[in-house]
Amino acid sequence: DAGVTQSPTHLIKTRGQQVTLRCSPISGHKSVSWYQQVLGQGPQFIFQYYEKEERGRGNFPDRFSARQFPNYSSELNVNALLLGDSALYLCASSLLSGRNQPQHFGDGTRLSIL
Amino acid sequence: KNEVEQSPQNLTAQEGEFITINCSYSVGISALHWLQQHPGGGIVSLFMLSSGKKKHGRLIATINIQEKHSSLHITASHPRDSAVYICAVRRSGGGADGLTFGKGTHLIIQP
Repeated sequence: DAGVTQSPTHLIKTRGQQVTLRCSPISGHKSVSWYQQVLGQGPQFIFQYYEKEERGRGNFPDRFSARQFPNYSSELNVNALLLGDSALYLCASSLLSGRNQPQHFGDGTRLSIL
Repeated sequence: KNEVEQSPQNLTAQEGEFITINCSYSVGISALHWLQQHPGGGIVSLFMLSSGKKKHGRLIATINIQEKHSSLHITASHPRDSAVYICAVRRSGGGADGLTFGKGTHLIIQP
């Protein structure tokens, strides 16, 4: 079975542009979480979506938004890009929400802002 | 102060050595995760713990809920164990499943 897939793998943008990152969870997984990992730091939680509804949001500005589709795939959108948005963006999926269970991570999208 | 602290930040050891990585946290949790991240960026889940001890191959993870402390041990370390090991917690009290991460421990095993 395919694991969590993210696209694109690498992306270069300039300040002020907008970007959309995509995530396909493991088949049957209904929960998707997004994380931002700046170089040298641990990942930071951005959003969780479950059954197409936002279940949680980390401490990120409104320039960050996300959605989940009926097939449980998800998109993360970032508007008005800043240099500080340069990071590895990770998606993780799990079967359910609201209980302890392993999270399965994709390989991430590396976003560079020039 | 970060809610999840790991030590050491960097660790270099010789092949065959016994490795211990520590994690302390300051919030109430429902579970603690140990994860492995290779240079390419992908993260692999190693363990999820809410109490006691788990073992998988040469890896052992323990947690002491009262002391808010967990350790990851690697026995008979091998160069292929070289990676960043990250501790992450799921806060108790319901809410989102988003994890709070430590900064990671960069482990290098030399042949």
